[in-house]
Amino acid sequence: GEDVEQSLFLSVREGDSSVINCTYTDSSSTYLYWYKQEPGAGLQLLTYIFSNMDMKQDQRLTVLLNKKDKHLSLRIADTQTGDSAIYFCAEKGMNRDDKIIFGKGTRLHILP
Amino acid sequence: DTAVSQTPKYLVTQMGNDKSIKCEQNLGHDTMYWYKQDSKKFLKIMFSYNNKELIINETVPNRFSPKSPDKAHLNLHINSLELGDSAVYFCASSPRGYGYTFGSGTRLTVV
Repeated sequence: GEDVEQSLFLSVREGDSSVINCTYTDSSSTYLYWYKQEPGAGLQLLTYIFSNMDMKQDQRLTVLLNKKDKHLSLRIADTQTGDSAIYFCAEKGMNRDDKIIFGKGTRLHILP
Repeated sequence: DTAVSQTPKYLVTQMGNDKSIKCEQNLGHDTMYWYKQDSKKFLKIMFSYNNKELIINETVPNRFSPKSPDKAHLNLHINSLELGDSAVYFCASSPRGYGYTFGSGTRLTVV
């Protein structure tokens, strides 16, 4: 079945770039997403990319998609303490009823 | 104006009780969902409705029953609550085919 994998933890020094990686198995994926969850809050859609794109940039965020390897990454430039959160990679396939499959989330910890 | 609102935010109840969680969205989206987030923060879809019609029904105990009186509301009723039902339940909505907007979650604690 469909699966989305990401590492569970990442520590980065304030001011450095954070790169969160994700792999997925569904070759029919149409949309890929990054969601952010701060403590005690719901999930907030950060950005998404269509499967026919290989890069998307939005201010400090850069999403890279390697469709051949089914690999998605999120780069956060100049990481700030407010970026501390859990980041979920998610994908939606063409052949499912709008079901989005989420990874287990990467907890980003910012070091002073 | 809250886009997807869930009530209550916190729910503490005893084993064996029946409880409901309500969800409403004012975005005009066609599709609504319930997700369960466990203590390790893993998210799993439970149900989805499109315009009041059940679309997705994952492997969930039949003690859980969703109800959609109209396309702006999707409520979750849980019978005979068990300790393992303790989790955060998220409601979400989407226009068909796009990303979700999530509610802020309902933290259910069964004691």
